Amino acid sequence: GQSLEQPSEVTAVEGAIVQINCTYQTSGFYGLSWYQQHDGGAPTFLSYNGLDGLEETGRFSSFLSRSDSYGYLLLQELQMKDSASYFCAGRGGYQKVTFGTGTKLQVIP
Amino acid sequence: DTAVSQTPKYLVTQMGNDKSIKCEQNLGHDTMYWYKQDSKKFLKIMFSYNNKELIINETVPNRFSPKSPDKAHLNLHINSLELGDSAVYFCASSQDLRDRDDTGELFFGEGSRLTVL
Repeated sequence: GQSLEQPSEVTAVEGAIVQINCTYQTSGFYGLSWYQQHDGGAPTFLSYNGLDGLEETGRFSSFLSRSDSYGYLLLQELQMKDSASYFCAGRGGYQKVTFGTGTKLQVIP
Repeated sequence: DTAVSQTPKYLVTQMGNDKSIKCEQNLGHDTMYWYKQDSKKFLKIMFSYNNKELIINETVPNRFSPKSPDKAHLNLHINSLELGDSAVYFCASSQDLRDRDDTGELFFGEGSRLTVL
């Protein structure tokens, strides 16, 4: 099976940089995705790391290290609208995507 | 056009009743899922279907029965509802995840909030 752990809450200041970590234990691991979910909304895809290293998409970057079973999401130039929950998700075999415990990000002025 | 649509959006019912949630996707995807999100925001996979075939059943009680009449639809029927079934149920779809070159992005519906009284 898979388990993915994240910090439950993170608070950061508008304009700053924040890193959300994800550690995982899994078998048959293909890669790590990140999703954003605003209160009352649906999760939406942000990024995917199939290989080790950094992937950059605008203000968001995601990193994966398979040897450390670790990844992170980096959000730069934080905006108030970035306040949301962020989930890492492990992609495994058998069409399975397992979500992490989720991190609630609060951006403050 | 809504990519993944599920109905109803809200469902309030009494314990012991039976209810269904419908899901449809117009993205041409092969794989569909049901996820349950509880009050603590944990997103837990329940079922996965690929081309109408059940691929994953994550130790969900028998009271939950998914049905996929075709690869664009995945419905969820719940018998004898219990208080603990109260949650938001998300339908999602994706390309076939066996293609490792694909990002494996899941496209989610807006969720169906079930409240059991």
